Amino acid sequence: NAGVMQNPRHLVRRRGQEARLRCSPMKGHSHVYWYRQLPEEGLKFMVYLQKENIIDESGMPKERFSAEFPKEGPSILRIQQVVRGDSAAYFCASSLSAAGGLYGYTFGSGTRLTVV
Amino acid sequence: QQQVKQSPQSLIVQKGGISIINCAYENTAFDYFPWYQQFPGKGPALLIAIRPDVSEKKEGRFTISFNKSAKQFSLHIMDSQPGDSATYFCAASAAGNKLTFGGGTRVLVKP
Repeated sequence: NAGVMQNPRHLVRRRGQEARLRCSPMKGHSHVYWYRQLPEEGLKFMVYLQKENIIDESGMPKERFSAEFPKEGPSILRIQQVVRGDSAAYFCASSLSAAGGLYGYTFGSGTRLTVV
Repeated sequence: QQQVKQSPQSLIVQKGGISIINCAYENTAFDYFPWYQQFPGKGPALLIAIRPDVSEKKEGRFTISFNKSAKQFSLHIMDSQPGDSATYFCAASAAGNKLTFGGGTRVLVKP
């Protein structure tokens, strides 16, 4: 069991470019969550997805950010026209059931995005 | 109302000592309180968790104390070891939903 796989581990983008972050959940997990961690801060919830559905996107910025979890393949967090303030570590977590927060997610090792 | 406040921001303890980290919350709908441990360059890993129907939970050297009336909970690390040096996050969720994290405590255990 390879755990939650995130790639790339590090991503450097120039201002105005697009960033695509990928997350493959643990085998058998159909619930995916994305969190953002700014330097020296805690994790902030962004979005919760099930296969082909966005369940809760209350933490997503209104513009430039989108997420998907298709029937086949990894979940993708997409940031268009990146700005320096988007520089952060982005973590994906997966769970077996809908009550993922209740039984504990499994987090990936994150993608460190740097916008130059 | 969704905030979870964590203190201290950093902590230095001698090997064998006790590390204590405190968290406070406002949202009375929270019903699940986990603690996560994070090493540099890694994702958070679940350490121990508690529900509000118990006041204390112990797993090995890690103990959560929970005070429902004060809306506070804390993590005690007994007999701290250098390998415990990490950042610790408290969190809370309501009805198994998304987690709200505290700001984190960086713990350094000196040999």
